Amino acid sequence: AQRVTQPEKLLSVFKGAPVELKCNYSYSGSPELFWYVQYSRQRLQLLLRHISRESIKGFTADLNKGETSFHLKKPFAQEEDSAMYYCALSPLGSARQLTFGSGTQLTVLP
Amino acid sequence: DTGVSQNPRHKITKRGQNVTFRCDPISEHNRLYWYRQTLGQGPEFLTYFQNEAQLEKSRLLSDRFSAERPKGSFSTLEIQRTEQGDSAMYLCASSLDRDGADTQYFGPGTRLTVL
Repeated sequence: AQRVTQPEKLLSVFKGAPVELKCNYSYSGSPELFWYVQYSRQRLQLLLRHISRESIKGFTADLNKGETSFHLKKPFAQEEDSAMYYCALSPLGSARQLTFGSGTQLTVLP
Repeated sequence: DTGVSQNPRHKITKRGQNVTFRCDPISEHNRLYWYRQTLGQGPEFLTYFQNEAQLEKSRLLSDRFSAERPKGSFSTLEIQRTEQGDSAMYLCASSLDRDGADTQYFGPGTRLTVL
């Protein structure tokens, strides 16, 4: 069975401070990991996926298979980053059934 | 194309009634997914269609739930004999299969309240 754990339900940082949203997973095969974001009153949308190895809106995430983690990081948080962030997993090469974590509400304070 | 749309956006029903939700995917997308999200949790996968074929179903999808995608375009999710535990946000997503690198685009959801 696959499982995604986001240990922090709420996270607050000040504008300009670094931010790290934690994500740990358990899966017996090769996973593909994603971060989805939901801004206030908007629909869920893909932020980034580990296969793309790209930085979106200044966010990066590195898949650490040894620690089974996929933490989301940004060196300087902005107020517009305030949102709900979900980590998700699917079998590699088959982004059909996404398994989501319970989410972390990030608040960036002025 | 304005993205994935879902109707209705809100539904309040009494326990025991049947409800049906509709999802219209992005027009060229061949894959369609249903998820359920309860308060404080992330979305949970329910079922998935490739064109009109329902290829995967979660064990969360009890016999009271049925989903269809008759012409490979829009999809409906029906819940029969609703229970209070069915109260949740029902999300639809669609994607275009490109060698397994498809991105799921989500709709705004239908919020169901069972009284």
